[in-house]
Amino acid sequence: RKEVEQDPGPFNVPEGATVAFNCTYSNSASQSFFWYRQDCRKEPKLLMSVYSSGNEDGRFTAQLNRASQYISLLIRDSKLSDSATYLCVVRLNQGGKLIFGQGTELSVKP
Amino acid sequence: DGGITQSPKYLFRKEGQNVTLSCEQNLNHDAMYWYRQDPGQGLRLIYYSQIVNDFQKGDIAEGYSVSREKKESFPLTVTSAQKNPTAFYLCASISRGGNPISEQFFGPGTRLTVL
Repeated sequence: RKEVEQDPGPFNVPEGATVAFNCTYSNSASQSFFWYRQDCRKEPKLLMSVYSSGNEDGRFTAQLNRASQYISLLIRDSKLSDSATYLCVVRLNQGGKLIFGQGTELSVKP
Repeated sequence: DGGITQSPKYLFRKEGQNVTLSCEQNLNHDAMYWYRQDPGQGLRLIYYSQIVNDFQKGDIAEGYSVSREKKESFPLTVTSAQKNPTAFYLCASISRGGNPISEQFFGPGTRLTVL
């Protein structure tokens, strides 16, 4: 079983749609949680950290359920520019190692 | 501007050759990381270093070597022992200040192709 698993993609949605990504992690030593965005052939960039209470940044909402070891990302009112691969990332207590999910590709169409 | 630079952006290598990928950061970060990404997959950790003159193997260290002689530099050598080296290589760094939500910054990556 992979340490971090994400929904297999790709997700193809029309502009304005709401889309949700799911992620599960298996290592109980996981300390911090993130969503990164990666554009085609580019490096990943931090989209948002994920807090236990849930957090929102504009059209993006992230939630964490430690009991279920589950993380989610909700994108409302999708824009063409949201098209990218979204990576679920978990940081372990030991050494600050980051464990990446395989990514979920999102394609927003006009 | 502070950041991470990787060079070259594209690299072609013949089978059997060693090649070294450069990674430099001027963020004054303590910890540096090397990842490999294959098409349609997430990033896998090759090596990491939390302090100068010290480094640890990641999940897929076989066929790779690193050094950390300076805080700002963490070069990765892909040796001829790496059986499938064609991939996108990403270097990253993070401040070791203990903040668990510190962002890990990435360089632009090097695409290595073995001919």
